[in-house]
Amino acid sequence: NAGVMQNPRHLVRRRGQEARLRCSPMKGHSHVYWYRQLPEEGLKFMVYLQKENIIDESGMPKERFSAEFPKEGPSILRIQQVVRGDSAAYFCASSPGTGALEQYFGPGTRLTVT
Amino acid sequence: AQSVTQLGSHVSVSEGALVLLRCNYSSSVPPYLFWYVQYPNQGLQLLLKYTSAATLVKGINGFEAEFKKSETSFHLTKPSAHMSDAAEYFCAVSEGNEKLTFGTGTRLTIIP
Repeated sequence: NAGVMQNPRHLVRRRGQEARLRCSPMKGHSHVYWYRQLPEEGLKFMVYLQKENIIDESGMPKERFSAEFPKEGPSILRIQQVVRGDSAAYFCASSPGTGALEQYFGPGTRLTVT
Repeated sequence: AQSVTQLGSHVSVSEGALVLLRCNYSSSVPPYLFWYVQYPNQGLQLLLKYTSAATLVKGINGFEAEFKKSETSFHLTKPSAHMSDAAEYFCAVSEGNEKLTFGTGTRLTIIP
């Protein structure tokens, strides 16, 4: 059973470009979560999605960031017009559904903005 | 609102010595508590979880943690440290709302 897959593992973007981060949850998991880890800090919750629905986006910056989890395909975290402060590790986690307490994490995408 | 405080951003112990990593939480409802481990350039792996059953929770790799409501603590311990335990450890809390709140992490170094 494959774990949570994230790609790319490393992404370099120039200021002003767009970054697209992909996450494929574990097989059978319908809930996806995105977290951001800044250098020397813990993980901060960004958004929680189910198929075709955003359930909780209280941790998402109000501008430039968006997330989706379509009926088919991976979840996408999109950052428009990246700035240096967006440089971080972005982790995706998945769980099988409501009431499941454990979240299973992917290896992360390390975004560097130059 | 839920929050987690991990005391000690860096902890060093000798190989074979006791490992103690501290975690205190704040929650408005009975919490669910977790410890995750992160090896360099990798994702997080669940060590153990507390979900209102037994207060002493055993996890993988010989780790365990005890939930103490009166102290709002969930400290992680291991009787004898191994070199392979060197990693970053994160405590996390959830109020059952599917959102994990993490502490800032403790980097564990094992001295040979």
